[in-house]
Amino acid sequence: DTAVSQTPKYLVTQMGNDKSIKCEQNLGHDTMYWYKQDSKKFLKIMFSYNNKELIINETVPNRFSPKSPDKAHLNLHINSLELGDSAVYFCASSQVGGDYNEQFFGPGTRLTVL
Amino acid sequence: EDKVVQSPLSLVVHEGDTVTLNCSYEVTNFRSLLWYKQEKKAPTFLFMLTSSGIEKKSGRLSSILDKKELFSILNITATQTGDSAVYLCAVPTGNTGKLIFGQGTTLQVKP
Repeated sequence: DTAVSQTPKYLVTQMGNDKSIKCEQNLGHDTMYWYKQDSKKFLKIMFSYNNKELIINETVPNRFSPKSPDKAHLNLHINSLELGDSAVYFCASSQVGGDYNEQFFGPGTRLTVL
Repeated sequence: EDKVVQSPLSLVVHEGDTVTLNCSYEVTNFRSLLWYKQEKKAPTFLFMLTSSGIEKKSGRLSSILDKKELFSILNITATQTGDSAVYLCAVPTGNTGKLIFGQGTTLQVKP
């Protein structure tokens, strides 16, 4: 069973389009995250939801809008795609609290904007 | 500002060599430090360290934390080509579970 899954795995699109990436976790975690990994492999947090509530919103263009219909799902919608949005987007989940904070990552979505 | 810095950024070794990867951090309210291995796809969890001086070990990989000097090292002995990957160090900050990642160390093990 896949713990954290994302769809699609690959996304190739033209500048100016709107696209969505979906993420689901079956680990029963209460917190989910979106990360962006650039071409230099640097992983940076974008958003986090805890029980459907937005708790982390880093400095990200407002063309990016996360949505969490329930605590097992966190989707990312991107409007008016730009060349600089090309990256790998990872979803992750964890159970926040105490000292233990292992995050489980999805397989990633490679977004290419042409 | 919280930050995590890894070194070296890249490393090329031959099978059988031993490597040491470094991670230094500056973070308020330190709780733990995590190591991940990333091959083609998602980062996979290796170790979590919370206590200074206690080595975590898994096969040929081991890691230790120094909370006084604010760093951790990841050792890989008798490297194999399957160890080729990006190794990421991360530290959680605040109460939200947010992880601050280092830039990663790209390790290439040649046959």
